[in-house]
Amino acid sequence: ELKVEQNPLFLSMQEGKNYTIYCNYSTTSDRLYWYRQDPGKSLESLFVLLSNGAVKQEGRLMASLDTKARLSTLHITAAVHDLSATYFCAVDMISGNTPLVFGKGTRLSVIA
Amino acid sequence: DVKVTQSSRYLVKRTGEKVFLECVQDMDHENMFWYRQDPGLGLRLIYFSYDVKMKEKGDIPEGYSVSREKKERFSLILESASTNQTSMYLCASRGGGGGHSYEQYFGPGTRLTVT
Repeated sequence: ELKVEQNPLFLSMQEGKNYTIYCNYSTTSDRLYWYRQDPGKSLESLFVLLSNGAVKQEGRLMASLDTKARLSTLHITAAVHDLSATYFCAVDMISGNTPLVFGKGTRLSVIA
Repeated sequence: DVKVTQSSRYLVKRTGEKVFLECVQDMDHENMFWYRQDPGLGLRLIYFSYDVKMKEKGDIPEGYSVSREKKERFSLILESASTNQTSMYLCASRGGGGGHSYEQYFGPGTRLTVT
């Protein structure tokens, strides 16, 4: 059974600081997704990582995938208040046509 | 752009009522999913469908049923709504091909309150 663990689950960080959210998963996969959710809203796709070593960047967020370590990271650079949200990672079973397995989410709060 | 729409953003129903939540996607995706989301419990999969008229139970199917008569539409049915089904319901769809077609897209959500 595929398990996905995110840490930390809660993160309070100051504006301007850097931090990393970690996503570990338990079985082989080479497809990983990051989503953002604002309070009361649905999930919005941030990044799709489809191979070992994949790196994607958008603004102050950068995601990477290490399939050998079964680890993805979401790095936040010089945080701003607008990044406050819950971030989910999700992993895809290689066999396809199966549901994504989601982590529990990391609630990020960026404070002045 | 992929679009996943849900029939209602907010819904208030009484205990014992039959409730229909509708989801429509416009990208010819094979796979569709229903989740519920509650504070502290993350996303929990209720049912999913990988083809028309096909359905599979997720992690918490009790008290729910689904219908997929057309490829673009996936309905979630609460046969007899109960207060413990008060939640945010999220529909999602995903293709079955290679590359980015595996990406999963979510609808805006329906916040259901059962009184």
